[in-house]
Amino acid sequence: GDSVTQMEGPVTLSEEAFLTINCTYTATGYPSLFWYVQYPGEGLQLLLKATKADDKGSNKGFEATYRKETTSFHLEKGSVQVSDSAVYFCALRGMDSNYQLIWGAGTKLIIKP
Amino acid sequence: DADVTQTPRNRITKTGKRIMLECSQTKGHDRMYWYRQDPGLGLRLIYYSFDVKDINKGEISDGYSVSRQAQAKFSLSLESAIPNQTALYFCATSDNRRVGGYTFGSGTRLTVV
Repeated sequence: GDSVTQMEGPVTLSEEAFLTINCTYTATGYPSLFWYVQYPGEGLQLLLKATKADDKGSNKGFEATYRKETTSFHLEKGSVQVSDSAVYFCALRGMDSNYQLIWGAGTKLIIKP
Repeated sequence: DADVTQTPRNRITKTGKRIMLECSQTKGHDRMYWYRQDPGLGLRLIYYSFDVKDINKGEISDGYSVSRQAQAKFSLSLESAIPNQTALYFCATSDNRRVGGYTFGSGTRLTVV
């Protein structure tokens, strides 16, 4: 069945560092891919998405490109801020799961000033 | 008003008590979900409903029940609360399209003592 694997955390970076959080997936067909963010004490919010191969989703300085050849959707940001400290979840939505979201385990990001 | 509203936001209850968590949405979505999140862990699906007459168990449904009172309302009950049900509970909604994301409520923090 469909699955999502993302890098384990916590990931600790200094402010203004470059961020990559790896996400790979297994799915048949052409799923849509998502990144959600959960700030401390809050619910999950959609950060960005991509619905077909080679699409790039972007929001708030974050980017992720749908790479079908490597089955990946890595999250990147060029210069992180303390306010980016949160838990980030990668997810996919495809036919095999009857279009339910399949979640990665989440990666906690800590940004130090 | 929020698109997805959960009540209560926080609740402390005693072991053995029955408790209901409520969720209502204004998105007009057919699909609704209940998730549980434990500290430092990801999301686990408790129950989901694709429409008012279609309710399904998720991966951790034991000890929980649900009621879909209307398209907009989906409540979660703990029949006899136990301490290991202490967690953060999220309600979410979605349409049935591959490209759509989920909309989450702000969560209910439940403590069973």
